[in-house]
Amino acid sequence: GQNIDQPTEMTATEGAIVQINCTYQTSGFNGLFWYQQHAGEAPTFLSYNVLDGLEEKGRFSSFLSRSKGYSYLLLKELQMKDSASYLCAVTNTGTGFQKLVFGTGTRLLVSP
Amino acid sequence: DSGVTQTPKHLITATGQRVTLRCSPRSGDLSVYWYQQSLDQGLQFLIQYYNGEERAKGNILERFSAQQFPDLHSELNLSSLELGDSALYFCASRSGSEDEQFFGPGTRLTVL
Repeated sequence: GQNIDQPTEMTATEGAIVQINCTYQTSGFNGLFWYQQHAGEAPTFLSYNVLDGLEEKGRFSSFLSRSKGYSYLLLKELQMKDSASYLCAVTNTGTGFQKLVFGTGTRLLVSP
Repeated sequence: DSGVTQTPKHLITATGQRVTLRCSPRSGDLSVYWYQQSLDQGLQFLIQYYNGEERAKGNILERFSAQQFPDLHSELNLSSLELGDSALYFCASRSGSEDEQFFGPGTRLTVL
């Protein structure tokens, strides 16, 4: 089976840095996605990691360690609009891009 | 705006009824995915179509079915509705040359 774990909720202050962790256990791991979802809205793509290491995109960075089954999303210079849920999702070689298996998401609350 | 459209935006119906949710993928995308998101739960993969053919199935109930038409739009049919089917239903599409799936705005289904 597959298991994806993320913290349920995190809080942080505007301007700060926050790291959201995701651990996974799955056979035939292919890649890991991070999506952002504001309440009641569609998830929007943030990053995709296949290889080990850090990928940076502006204020957002994502890290992957395949050997440890671990990823994190790093958000810098937090803004109020970053208050949202952050979803970690994996794909498997068996299914390729046939489906995304999502964790339950981490709700991030950014306060002034 | 992801380019994926879903109708209707909201749907309220009674137990035992049947509804059809519609999705139009981004222009040129051959793959369509359906996901269910219940309150406080993560996104659950239901089913995927590629160019009119079913490609992958998740934990989709037998009361649910889907199809993709020659013009690539897709419909998700939900029958014998139960209270527990109340959820947000998202459609996503993907081209063959990109990694990410693009999500539509969702249909919020309420079963009373």
